[in-house]
Formats: sequence, C-alpha cells, structure tokens
Amino acid sequence: GAGVSQSPSNKVTEKGKDVELRCDPISGHTALYWYRQRLGQGLEFLIYFQGNSAPDKSGLPSDRFSAERTGESVSTLTIQRTQQEDSAVYLCASSTRGFQPQHFGDGTRLSIL
Amino acid sequence: SQQGEEDPQALSIQEGENATMNCSYKTSINNLQWYRQNSGRGLVHLILIRSNEREKHSGRLRVTLDTSKKSSSLLITASRAADTASYFCATDEEYGNKLVFGAGTILRVKS
Repeated sequence: GAGVSQSPSNKVTEKGKDVELRCDPISGHTALYWYRQRLGQGLEFLIYFQGNSAPDKSGLPSDRFSAERTGESVSTLTIQRTQQEDSAVYLCASSTRGFQPQHFGDGTRLSIL
Repeated sequence: SQQGEEDPQALSIQEGENATMNCSYKTSINNLQWYRQNSGRGLVHLILIRSNEREKHSGRLRVTLDTSKKSSSLLITASRAADTASYFCATDEEYGNKLVFGAGTILRVKS
C-alpha cells in the first residue's frame, strides 16, 4: 500500500509569490497533520484535520498560511506572499485517528529566494 | 513551544555499542512516541508508550517512561551504521489534540 505522498518534493520561488503544497494521506486515515521543520530543528506543528471536525489551526504562524482538506483525502497547504523565513521543509503526516502513530511523507523542501 | 526536549543533542558511537537518548517533557501526557528521521526523509514511527506503562521493547529498542520525573529514554542496543539518524520524542498534550516534538538527538554510528 502507498504511504503518504507529498508534492512537489522541492520548490524554489521568489519572495512574495504564493505557493501551494499538496499531501495525499494514507487511504482511510482520518487524521492529517502539517508540520514545518527548519534546518537542524524539530517539528513545528502547523495544523491538524480530524475527519469532518473543524481543523485545529493553532500552529499556523500568520494569516499568510492556510490549509484545506477535502473530506478525508487530499490536503493543500498554501503560503501567500512568501517570505525568506518561510524556507523550510514542510512535512505532512496522517494517522488512523488523533494520538495514534503518525505516518509521514518525505516533505516538500521550500526555498524562498 | 516544545513539549519534549531530547538529550544529548548529538551522539557518536562505534558500531556494536549501545546508544541511549533521553527526553523530558513538561505537562501530563497520554502517551509518548519515538520517531527516527533519516537525512532528507520524513519521520518513521518507532514505538509508543502509554502513560500507564513503564517499559516497552521492540527488537533492539527499549523505551522507559517515568511520569513522576516527566522523562523517557530510548535505548538502542548493538547499534549498526544504519541506525545513524535523528531521533525525536513526541508527546500528546493531555487536553489537546496534537503531538509536540522535541528538537531531536542526532545519532552517528561509526563502522
């Protein structure tokens, strides 16, 4: 069975542009998470989707960040008007439900010039 | 803010030796999880220990949990070069709905 898939794997863009990152979770996983990982650091929680419940957006660093999820499938993380400090690896994970072991994609490495 | 904090930040050992990594956290938890991350890859779940458990084994991995000290340790026995990776602990916030990861321990196993 396929694992969590993220695209693109790498994205280089100019400051001020908008970017959209995609995550395909494992089929049947109701919980989906987005994290940001800066170089050499741990994971910073961004947002959590659980089924049809309202998402937990408490980790989004600014209103330039938003995320959507269609049902229990694909999710997109959008960063508007990118800044250099947005450069990081963005990781997506899914699990059968909250607090269960998470399955991670390999991330999107975002570089803002 | 980070819930789990790993110690040491980096560890270098010879193949065959044991590696011990520690994690401390601040608030009450339901469970604590350990993950491994190879360079350029996503995290891989290793083991989950519940707050009412004190020790758990999985292959060459041994995890302990001391809720009175709010700490956990991960022991990798008979290390191999392939164990070279970053290791993270993650805790759930007992009244929250997300995992909080520490900054990780970078393990290097020299062959």
